[in-house]
Amino acid sequence: AQKVTQAQTEISVVEKEDVTLDCVYETRDTTYYLFWYKQPPSGELVFLIRRNSFDEQNEISGRYSWNFQKSTSSFNFTITASQVVDSAVYFCALKRNTDKLIFGTGTRLQVFP
Amino acid sequence: EAQVTQNPRYLITVTGKKLTVTCSQNMNHEYMSWYRQDPGLGLRQIYYSMNVEVTDKGDVPEGYKVSRKEKRNFPLILESPSPNQTSLYFCASSLSGDRLYGQYFGPGTRLTVT
Repeated sequence: AQKVTQAQTEISVVEKEDVTLDCVYETRDTTYYLFWYKQPPSGELVFLIRRNSFDEQNEISGRYSWNFQKSTSSFNFTITASQVVDSAVYFCALKRNTDKLIFGTGTRLQVFP
Repeated sequence: EAQVTQNPRYLITVTGKKLTVTCSQNMNHEYMSWYRQDPGLGLRQIYYSMNVEVTDKGDVPEGYKVSRKEKRNFPLILESPSPNQTSLYFCASSLSGDRLYGQYFGPGTRLTVT
């Protein structure tokens, strides 16, 4: 079965705290792709990052970083020094060797000033 | 500018009144898809299309129809909407076989069926 689990339904932090959003996936494919999307209150889906199954190198982009570990089937997302503008729903998604995206149920992040 | 457009962005309608949500992309993408987003359920695929005249059911196709007569357009049709179809709908497109990228998403259509 192909599945993406985001166990954290909602997370609340105070500005400047670091926060990690968890994503665990299931797939039997050896080739697959993982994504994170951000959905701000305005509702649109904003692409953040993609990672293929052959590249376990972690990535950092400004205050964002991603930790991909095939051994634990996880692709966690960390925001360092969170800001109010980071408040959004974040979705993790899996793309197998087809065009279909399988989404997790999302994690709502609230950053308070 | 590369984009996926959806219309309308907001729609309030009554049970049983047929409606169509349009989706258009200007990137010459083969693959197009419709998702619905509901609280606690994430995004679920309704229908998808691999190319012109090729459509197939996703995970939650009941109550919906689609067509793909042109490559750029992929309308979503609700023949007889019901309140349980109240949701946020997203259209998406991508190059078929392009595994590297996710999909380009439209801005969403918020539908309320009373």
